[in-house]
This record gives sequence, C-alpha cells and structure tokens, in this order.
Amino acid sequence: EAGVTQSPTHLIKTRGQQATLRCSPISGHTSVYWYQQALGLGLQFLLWYDEGEERNRGNFPPRFSGRQFPNYSSELNVNALELEDSALYLCASSLEGGTNEKLFFGSGTQLSVL
Amino acid sequence: KQEVTQIPAALSVPEGENLVLNCSFTDSAIYNLQWFRQDPGKGLTSLLLIQSSQREQTSGRLNASLDKSSGRSTLYIAASQPGDSATYLCAVDFWGGGADGLTFGKGTHLIIQP
Repeated sequence: EAGVTQSPTHLIKTRGQQATLRCSPISGHTSVYWYQQALGLGLQFLLWYDEGEERNRGNFPPRFSGRQFPNYSSELNVNALELEDSALYLCASSLEGGTNEKLFFGSGTQLSVL
Repeated sequence: KQEVTQIPAALSVPEGENLVLNCSFTDSAIYNLQWFRQDPGKGLTSLLLIQSSQREQTSGRLNASLDKSSGRSTLYIAASQPGDSATYLCAVDFWGGGADGLTFGKGTHLIIQP
C-alpha cells in the first residue's frame, strides 16, 4: 500500500513568485494536514482539510492557502513568496481527523526562496 | 501558552547503550502524546502514541512513558543501533481536536556511534 506522497521533492522559487505543492494521502484517508518545518523551528501547523473542506488553519497569513480535491489529494499554494517561507513542507494524512488517530507523513517538499 | 520542550537537543552514544530521551510539556490536561522519528530531509514516522488514560506504550525496543502530573514523557530505547540515528520529536495534543492541535517539540538529534 502506497504511503503519503508529495511532489515535487524540491522547489526553487524567487521572492514574489507563487509555489504549488501537492500531496496524495494514504488510500482511504480523508484528512490531510500541512505543516511547515523551518530551520531551527519546530513543526508549525498550517492547514487541515477533511472531506473537501478547510477545517482549520494555523497562525499563517492568507497568502498560504490550499484545497482538497474529490479524491482527497491536496494542494498547498503559497503566494507572494518571501525569503522566510524557505522550509520543508510536510503533508500528513489520517483516517478521519479524529483525536488519538495515528498520523502518516510524506517525505516533504523542500522549498527554497531566493 | 502550551509548550513542548525536549532535552537534550542532541545526543551521541556508542552502539548498544540503553538511552532515554525526555519531553516536558506545560499543562497536565492533555489528550495524548506522540513520539515521532524524522530522518534527515524526510517526513515523520509515528513511533508511539500514548493516550491520556495510559501510562506507557511499548513497541519492540522502544518504550514511552507518560506522567501527566509532572508534565513529562520519556522515550526509552534499548540496545541502541546505528539505524536508530535520527531526530526524535515529541508532540502533544492539548486540545483534543486531532492533528491540527498538535504542539511539537524541536526534537532530540540522536547519533548512535558504531
């Protein structure tokens, strides 16, 4: 069974551009989470999608947005890129998004903003 | 503000040693605590999840304990191996809402010397 897959593995952009990151959850999982892991910082929660709806977002500006498709895959968009957006972006999925559910992570997209 | 702290930030031990990684958290009213492993540039792998009503969980050579009253958890690794080298992250669910509410520590970078 395939795990959580993310693409691309690496992404290089310049300041002001837009970045699009993609995630496919484990088959059968409806909840997808996005996290940012910047150098020296812990994982920061970005967005949570479940059944096609945005359920919650972390403390990030509106230029971080995304969506979930009918097949439960998800896309994270970052507009007007800033240097401090350089980070590893991790996607995770769980069965239904409930408490005490195990999380499964993808390998991440390393975004570099020059 | 709920916080999760992991000490030490880095640890290097010879192969075969038993070792303990520490995680402390503010606010004893937690829903669960999870330990993850992260290999360089990769996503996280869930190791153990301890629910609020539990005191410990075991998986193979790993044992995690939870003491809510003191705000502490430990991850015990028995008979360490070079393949155990990774960063170990502790995450606490303070809100009971699921993965969007997890607060992560910054991790302990573990090196097992052959």
